[in-house]
Amino acid sequence: AQSVAQPEDQVNVAEGNPLTVKCTYSVSGNPYLFWYVQYPNRGLQFLLKYITGDNLVKGSYGFEAEFNKSQTSFHLKKPSALVSDSALYFCAVSTNAGKSTFGDGTTLTVKP
Amino acid sequence: ETGVTQSPTHLIKTRGQQVTLRCSSQSGHNTVSWYQQALGQGPQFIFQYYREEENGRGNFPPRFSGLQFPNYSSELNVNALELDDSALYLCASSRDRVGVGNTEAFFGQGTRLTVV
Repeated sequence: AQSVAQPEDQVNVAEGNPLTVKCTYSVSGNPYLFWYVQYPNRGLQFLLKYITGDNLVKGSYGFEAEFNKSQTSFHLKKPSALVSDSALYFCAVSTNAGKSTFGDGTTLTVKP
Repeated sequence: ETGVTQSPTHLIKTRGQQVTLRCSSQSGHNTVSWYQQALGQGPQFIFQYYREEENGRGNFPPRFSGLQFPNYSSELNVNALELDDSALYLCASSRDRVGVGNTEAFFGQGTRLTVV
């Protein structure tokens, strides 16, 4: 069975500081990893994905994520946070079997 | 905006009733997935349809069923509604089955179902 863990329910950072939102996963076979963001009363929006290749993936709005196979992690990062980055972030894993598993989400709050 | 539209946006049903939720996929997408998102939780995968056939299912009972039409729009049907079915139901379309190749999902804004 595949699973995703987002160990922090809440992450608080000051505007301009770097941010990290953590994600670890468990899956049989090669993982396809995704980050999505959800704003209030909106559906999920795709941020970035890791399929294969470079371990550092760059995505939308200045976000990036680092794939670490030995630690089975896929942490989301941004060098300088903005207040507008405040939202709910979900990590997800998929396989060739077509099933997607999402974490329970991390609420990011960026304070001015 | 993703181009994925869901209807209705809100719905209230009585326990034991049946409900049909609808989703229009983004142009060019042949795969649709449905998710249930309870309050404070991540989306839970219900099932995925690829070219009108079910292609993967999560841990949901048979009273959750779906259809995908030739134009790749989709329906989620839930029979014998229970109070615990109250949730946000999300539809997502993709160019191919998620997890196959270079494919991410594009989500609609969801249907908020309340069962009373």
